[in-house]
Amino acid sequence: ETGVTQSPTHLIKTRGQQVTLRCSSQSGHNTVSWYQQALGQGPQFIFQYYREEENGRGNFPPRFSGLQFPNYSSELNVNALELDDSALYLCASSRLAGGRQETQYFGPGTRLLVL
Amino acid sequence: EDQVTQSPEALRLQEGESSSLNCSYTVSGLRGLFWYRQDPGKGPEFLFTLYSAGEEKEKERLKATLTKKESFLHITAPKPEDSATYLCAGGVNDYKLSFGAGTTVTVRA
Repeated sequence: ETGVTQSPTHLIKTRGQQVTLRCSSQSGHNTVSWYQQALGQGPQFIFQYYREEENGRGNFPPRFSGLQFPNYSSELNVNALELDDSALYLCASSRLAGGRQETQYFGPGTRLLVL
Repeated sequence: EDQVTQSPEALRLQEGESSSLNCSYTVSGLRGLFWYRQDPGKGPEFLFTLYSAGEEKEKERLKATLTKKESFLHITAPKPEDSATYLCAGGVNDYKLSFGAGTTVTVRA
């Protein structure tokens, strides 16, 4: 098992609500990435945080936002929830190294259902 | 546009029947090719990282190889516990992984 933890494991929200998902990184890692995985699909990159700043972003609207804290834990916030936001949200931690991708280690995920 | 395509979508094997999964990619400036295993409802579990064409890595019954255009995951003499979805991802830059849709492998005893 990796040292990446996520909470909560499951969540049910209604359309228009806001949600906050949490992630704790593996020890020694300094970046946190968030991915959205719809049923039957591969994970889609949302964004990555490094040194408490957004380091890169995928094709997701601004209502998806995040934070990284000094202890490298992170939050994913989604405002104005839509039905299509129902998915498994994955957090991954890694160590940023110049020139190549270091391996990203994933947590167990948070299953979000929007009704 | 960066793209990662996996084939086949699903693979049903008899225990002991070896096979290969394919991952083809069009990622400019690939920064690593990653293989993960994912069980239903769980997060992806890291298997291999490959950085250079010609590189090979092995772990138990799994072996990953990389060429300039594709990667293969070979499963030798699989067991039922090897049943899972296998995901391939290309490192697009320093921070983004671009995933394929996965190959779901079912191994029957």
